[in-house]
Amino acid sequence: NAGVTQTPKFQVLKTGQSMTLQCAQDMNHEYMSWYRQDPGMGLRLIHYSVGAGITDQGEVPNGYNVSRSTTEDFPLRLLSAAPSQTSVYFCASSYAGNEQFFGPGTRLTVL
Amino acid sequence: GESVGLHLPTLSVQEGDNSIINCAYSNSASDYFIWYKQESGKGPQFIIDIRSNMDKRQGQRVTVLLNKTVKHLSLQIAATQPGDSAVYFCAEDDPGGSYIPTFGRGTSLIVHP
Repeated sequence: NAGVTQTPKFQVLKTGQSMTLQCAQDMNHEYMSWYRQDPGMGLRLIHYSVGAGITDQGEVPNGYNVSRSTTEDFPLRLLSAAPSQTSVYFCASSYAGNEQFFGPGTRLTVL
Repeated sequence: GESVGLHLPTLSVQEGDNSIINCAYSNSASDYFIWYKQESGKGPQFIIDIRSNMDKRQGQRVTVLLNKTVKHLSLQIAATQPGDSAVYFCAEDDPGGSYIPTFGRGTSLIVHP
């Protein structure tokens, strides 16, 4: 199993550009989530999904959209990138009530 | 709101010592707690978990203790090795049913050879 995969590993955007961070898992987990991690900080939840077709907002959802058309994929869209969105983004998946498996992260810089 | 926090942001130990990383949680209804290890440049990795019907759980060189009376969680690492150097996060499961945990800020463990 590949586990949780994320692409790209690194990305540089200009303010106002849009892009999609990809996340996929091959463990048939129903739960998937996106976090951002800023220096010296913990993980802050952006959006999450409890199954295909179901998404919900986390702690810091503004400026991000998600969709969950399949069990495997959970892309995160930045609508109009801002410097405040410079961060490391982690995708995770899990079965309900169990530990999460994290991807390797995407390092995003917005100029 | 509810929160999960850590008492010590940085912990420095000598190789071979035992390490104890502490975590306080505020939601008495939380029923599942997880410790993660995050090495530099990588995503968090599961270490050990414990459910609220237990006080202690042991893994390989790691032990998690849960004190529900004072809402405190600790991770003990025996015979700490340089490879244990990382940031450690505790997380509590959302008892409201979303099963998406809340993470603390993290403790950086530095192991000196």
